[in-house]
Amino acid sequence: SAVISQKPSRDICQRGTSLTIQCQVDSQVTMMFWYRQQPGQSLTLIATANQGSEATYESGFVIDKFPISRPNLTFSTLTVSNMSPEDSSIYLCSGYVQSEKLFFGSGTQLSVL
Amino acid sequence: KQEVTQIPAALSVPEGENLVLNCSFTDSAIYNLQWFRQDPGKGLTSLLLIQSSQREQTSGRLNASLDKSSGRSTLYIAASQPGDSATYLCAVMSSGSARQLTFGSGTQLTVLP
Repeated sequence: SAVISQKPSRDICQRGTSLTIQCQVDSQVTMMFWYRQQPGQSLTLIATANQGSEATYESGFVIDKFPISRPNLTFSTLTVSNMSPEDSSIYLCSGYVQSEKLFFGSGTQLSVL
Repeated sequence: KQEVTQIPAALSVPEGENLVLNCSFTDSAIYNLQWFRQDPGKGLTSLLLIQSSQREQTSGRLNASLDKSSGRSTLYIAASQPGDSATYLCAVMSSGSARQLTFGSGTQLTVLP
């Protein structure tokens, strides 16, 4: 199994500001994924982050709005830029660790006023 | 494009009852299927992973089955307890190298004491 530590666990932010979410894994992970879960909805994949290359974004998500860093195999960050109330969601990082089970961080509950 | 549906969206049962949660998917070319549990405002915990070549997996009071040809999976919970109250999501990994999951919208389970 693996432990993915995600922080912050929650934040309340003002419109127009940016928030960076961090995920630290206790094992090396080749591929990490960032998901968004809007209230009452299921998970939507934002992007796939590979170490040493640019993240691959899903349709509807762009790098300027959700820049991702992946400096090594155990760490990644997602920034939500120029936030608006529509960005209020739970953001989740995840990754595979030597298996095909997907492990998740505990999530970041973001509220934008 | 893979679509995953979970029925019912919500379920309330008395403690001790056995119950079945359903998951259906449109494209039978899957690599595996995974069931997750999500507590309110939290990340996801992997419960069971079924490979496409398998028919079922068991862990404690949980049993998950897979019928790939009909595009269906069920999660059976025996002798339910109030601590089982959570949202249960199934996710399908389609065949291919992307290793991305398509999530269902979840079943919100409440077990009444």
